[in-house]
Amino acid sequence: GAVVSQHPSRVICKSGTSVKIECRSLDFQATTMFWYRQFPKQSLMLMATSNEGSKATYEQGVEKDKFLINHASLTLSTLTVTSAHPEDSSFYICSARPAGTEAFFGQGTRLTVV
Amino acid sequence: DAKTTQPTSMDCAEGRAANLPCNHSTISGNEYVYWYRQIHSQGPQYIIHGLKNNETNEMASLIITEDRKSSTLILPHATLRDTAVYYCIVRVARAGSYQLTFGKGTKLSVIP
Repeated sequence: GAVVSQHPSRVICKSGTSVKIECRSLDFQATTMFWYRQFPKQSLMLMATSNEGSKATYEQGVEKDKFLINHASLTLSTLTVTSAHPEDSSFYICSARPAGTEAFFGQGTRLTVV
Repeated sequence: DAKTTQPTSMDCAEGRAANLPCNHSTISGNEYVYWYRQIHSQGPQYIIHGLKNNETNEMASLIITEDRKSSTLILPHATLRDTAVYYCIVRVARAGSYQLTFGKGTKLSVIP
């Protein structure tokens, strides 16, 4: 079946630095990918929609200059958390949907900012 | 998309059937019922979906009431690996990509 892969699965970074998270569709092309964030004991919240070849669409309250999204190819979207702070520590998950099937999710990236 | 209501948590004995209810009383005629689950520290996994007929696949069965205002996900023989948060999501199925709106889900604990 379709696979969506995220890298890295875990990352620890220092406050003020930037972290890049990759999301790949391994056996299908995805013109659209979605980025979610999940805080401990809470549900997934959509952050932004990543569109291949055009600007991402951000949900209300999500800072586009802080969470940079690049979708340069049909199989790769990246989320860069810039100038990370401890409150950005969270579980970040991407999703993509092959044509004619259901949405698949990456395994998630646990970000810890120290 | 219609709102759903699920119990916060449920326990199920290993080997028994797990029946997870979902209320979606405001569902529209063109909205499907989707079920996903999230095992701890992993991304969500698709389980099953349906419109009005009951559905079954290798993972589970989905029973939708005749008025479509509620549904039940059935895991016929729960194992410890089925311990997860189960999300019931209602939305229109359309071509192209779309985001999913997750509620709080039901935390299912399968007990040895």
